[in-house]
Amino acid sequence: GAVVSQHPSWVICKSGTSVKIECRSLDFQATTMFWYRQFPKQSLMLMATSNEGSKATYEQGVEKDKFLINHASLTLSTLTVTSAHPEDSSFYICSAPRDNLYEQYFGPGTRLTVT
Amino acid sequence: GENVEQHPSTLSVQEGDSAVIKCTYSDSASNYFPWYKQELGKRPQLIIDIRSNVGEKKDQRIAVTLNKTAKHFSLHITETQPEDSAVYFCAASIYKGNKLVFGAGTILRVKS
Repeated sequence: GAVVSQHPSWVICKSGTSVKIECRSLDFQATTMFWYRQFPKQSLMLMATSNEGSKATYEQGVEKDKFLINHASLTLSTLTVTSAHPEDSSFYICSAPRDNLYEQYFGPGTRLTVT
Repeated sequence: GENVEQHPSTLSVQEGDSAVIKCTYSDSASNYFPWYKQELGKRPQLIIDIRSNVGEKKDQRIAVTLNKTAKHFSLHITETQPEDSAVYFCAASIYKGNKLVFGAGTILRVKS
């Protein structure tokens, strides 16, 4: 099956700093990737759609200047949480569809803790 | 936009019994309905999915049914086992490779 990786798997940062999370499709090309956020005991909420070579599409209520997304290649999308605050602490998961198929492949997630 | 509602939020069953989780969706254009199992701290794992051109799909102890007219779909797990205990999410999307809208999740506990 298709493999999607994320790095780092967990990160602790201080309030006010920025953190970058990488999402890679290891054995397929992904023109589109999705970023989700999951708070404890809650569902996955879509934050934005990352499009290779163009601007990301953000869901309503998600600040594009705070959550910077860059999809610079067909195998890599990055999410940068700028000026992180404790309320940004969450589980961030990316996903990517393969070859325009229905199924999406999820990364293992990144646990962000802002102190 | 699409809205997916999922019930129940928690479900406790005795080992060997069946478990049923139900979801409804709002956008009649949705045509792909996956179910995921998620263990604590892990990524969602696809357990079964169904497209809008079929009404039922089965894979061993797991089955999904879809009623397009009523816009609801259900997950059925038979002969439950303790290792089935996890959080289950339903989701819906409109077309190939499009974003998924998730239900709120169901915590399934299988008591041995």
